[in-house]
Amino acid sequence: GNSVTQMEGPVTLSEEAFLTINCTYTATGYPSLFWYVQYPGEGLQLLLKATKADDKGSNKGFEATYRKETTSFHLEKGSVQVSDSAVYFCALFAQGGSEKLVFGKGMKLTVNP
Amino acid sequence: SQTIHQWPATLVQPVGSPLSLECTVEGTSNPNLYWYRQAAGRGLQLLFYSVGIGQISSEVPQNLSASRPQDRQFILSSKKLLLSDSGFYLCAWGRSLNPRQYFGPGTRLTVT
Repeated sequence: GNSVTQMEGPVTLSEEAFLTINCTYTATGYPSLFWYVQYPGEGLQLLLKATKADDKGSNKGFEATYRKETTSFHLEKGSVQVSDSAVYFCALFAQGGSEKLVFGKGMKLTVNP
Repeated sequence: SQTIHQWPATLVQPVGSPLSLECTVEGTSNPNLYWYRQAAGRGLQLLFYSVGIGQISSEVPQNLSASRPQDRQFILSSKKLLLSDSGFYLCAWGRSLNPRQYFGPGTRLTVT
C-alpha cells in the first residue's frame, strides 16, 4: 500500500539555522506530494506541493523537490525563524486510488531565538 | 470563499459519556469530508471519510462513528468514550480527484 516515512523529531534549532526534514514515500504510479504545517493549537495548512517528478514546491522560504529516483520529497529552509516553530507533515495522494491523503507521522520543530 | 467550522473548540468528558463533534463547510457543495485524530506521539490518523450524503468509509475500527446528514455537515460520535479517545480531532474537506485538503481549526478532546 501507499505510505510516507518522515523524520519524527522533535527537533530544536536556533534562529537562522538550516533545516532539512526528510520524507520518503512508497506508492504505485505517480503520486502528488505535499508538505502541511500545523502551528500550535491550529489545524493543518498546506505549505507546498509538487505533482510530478522534478517539480519543486516552494512557499515562505521552504522548498521541496519531487525526486522519483529516490522516492523522496525532503523539506528545506535556509534560515529558520522562531515563527517556523510548528509540526510538519509530509503527505501523498495517489491518483486512481481512494479519495484520501496518506500522511507521515509529523515532525515537531522548535526554533529558539 | 470556502470556510470550515468545527465545534466545540475544546471538550472535557468523563469516561463512558457520549460524544458529538460537528463540522460544517460553507461556500462549496458536495465536498469530500474527512475526520482525523491526532494523538500525542502518534501523528495524524484518518478515521472516516465521506464522498456524499450518507456515504461513510471507516478507516480504523473503534468505538467512534461518523454521519453526514447534510451535504456540508459531518458529525463524529461515540456512545461511550474511552480514555484512549483523547486527542485533537480535525475535520477537513476536499474535492474529488483534487488531492488538496482544507482543515478546520480542530477540537481538543480530553477524556477523564
